[in-house]
Amino acid sequence: QKEVEQDPGPLSVPEGAIVSLNCTYSNSAFQYFMWYRQYSRKGPELLMYTYSSGNKEDGRFTAQVDKSSKYISLFIRDSQPSDSATYLCAMSVTAAGNKLTFGGGTRVLVKP
Amino acid sequence: NAGVTQTPKFQVLKTGQSMTLQCAQDMNHNSMYWYRQDPGMGLRLIYYSASEGTTDKGEVPNGYNVSRLNKREFSLRLESAAPSQTSVYFCASSLLVGQGDYGYTFGSGTRLTVV
Repeated sequence: QKEVEQDPGPLSVPEGAIVSLNCTYSNSAFQYFMWYRQYSRKGPELLMYTYSSGNKEDGRFTAQVDKSSKYISLFIRDSQPSDSATYLCAMSVTAAGNKLTFGGGTRVLVKP
Repeated sequence: NAGVTQTPKFQVLKTGQSMTLQCAQDMNHNSMYWYRQDPGMGLRLIYYSASEGTTDKGEVPNGYNVSRLNKREFSLRLESAAPSQTSVYFCASSLLVGQGDYGYTFGSGTRLTVV
């Protein structure tokens, strides 16, 4: 079993809909949680960063962390075709070396 | 700023050939990483360097070596390429926690095919 699980999709939604993405993990020691967006043939880019549990909002993006359930989510409101990409969750235990463990990524398609 | 620069962008190797993937960052980051990305497997850490002068193995280090040449540069070497090393390779860098942005900055990747 992978340490971080993520549904590969694809997740297809109409423009303007809310996109809901999530990851589950098995290591209860994870404290730092991130979401990356990766366009085709590009490197991942950081979208959201959260430390420990709670919610964080940045524009149309909201990240939630529920450490008790070992579950993290990313919501994209008012989705646009430009949001079509693969979204990867990532997490780490400590700051030492900053080693991140990534989920496999969910491919999202936003149709005009 | 260029961020993280990887060279080459594409490469085809024959089995048994060697090559070095180059990575340089201009953000004064302390830590650097090499990942490979394969369909269905996500990003897997090959090697990382927490700071200049140190390197450590990641999840999948076999068949690879690395060199942290200085604070800016971190290279990945395949001594004897195998078809199983066909993948997209990403270099990344980050500050240490406590110095601001925790996230990684990734390069645009090197697409390697071993035939």
